[in-house]
Amino acid sequence: SQQGEEDPQALSIQEGENATMNCSYKTSINNLQWYRQNSGRGLVHLILIRSNEREKHSGRLRVTLDTSKKSSSLLITASRAADTASYFCAGNSGGYQKVTFGTGTKLQVIP
Amino acid sequence: ETGVTQSPTHLIKTRGQQVTLRCSSQSGHNTVSWYQQALGQGPQFIFQYYREEENGRGNFPPRFSGLQFPNYSSELNVNALELDDSALYLCASSADGTGSQPQHFGDGTRLSIL
Repeated sequence: SQQGEEDPQALSIQEGENATMNCSYKTSINNLQWYRQNSGRGLVHLILIRSNEREKHSGRLRVTLDTSKKSSSLLITASRAADTASYFCAGNSGGYQKVTFGTGTKLQVIP
Repeated sequence: ETGVTQSPTHLIKTRGQQVTLRCSSQSGHNTVSWYQQALGQGPQFIFQYYREEENGRGNFPPRFSGLQFPNYSSELNVNALELDDSALYLCASSADGTGSQPQHFGDGTRLSIL
């Protein structure tokens, strides 16, 4: 089962605007991770938020986690054309590294 | 600090053949995971190696196998290739196998099956 379903599937915004992506998951998790993937490249780790955390910041990124609703959101503020990429959330619910990814949100930032 | 490197970057095979993909983990990392990513999909977990032992496997048949070496580099072997095996294969390393650390990905091997 998918341990990460991103919403929306695609998002197009103007440079300078904020972008919000949501993620829902099915079972309890130890942590949730957000990754970015540029076309044809590997994934780049953005933020890891643990199940006992509610919010985390990193530069222009803000991640929230609501374990009661089994959901997370990623906010990118003051977006740039370079933020154009696919964004994935991944829940880790195993004792070993079984991190399950969703299908991603494809973000396009128009200059 | 050397990142995760994968080889080759692209590969074309025919049905029924066998393939070996290689991954060098980031220095200091003892855990390697392999993922299959079909076009337009998220990565699907194949298996994980921790200190040369397989310690987790996703829903992939036994013809997908792997190895991890004492320097923590790893190989993914796929036998009896099928058309559906066409995908981007990603390797990721991390500092431990618990899932509590971020994973560092290579840029993948694009495998095409004809």
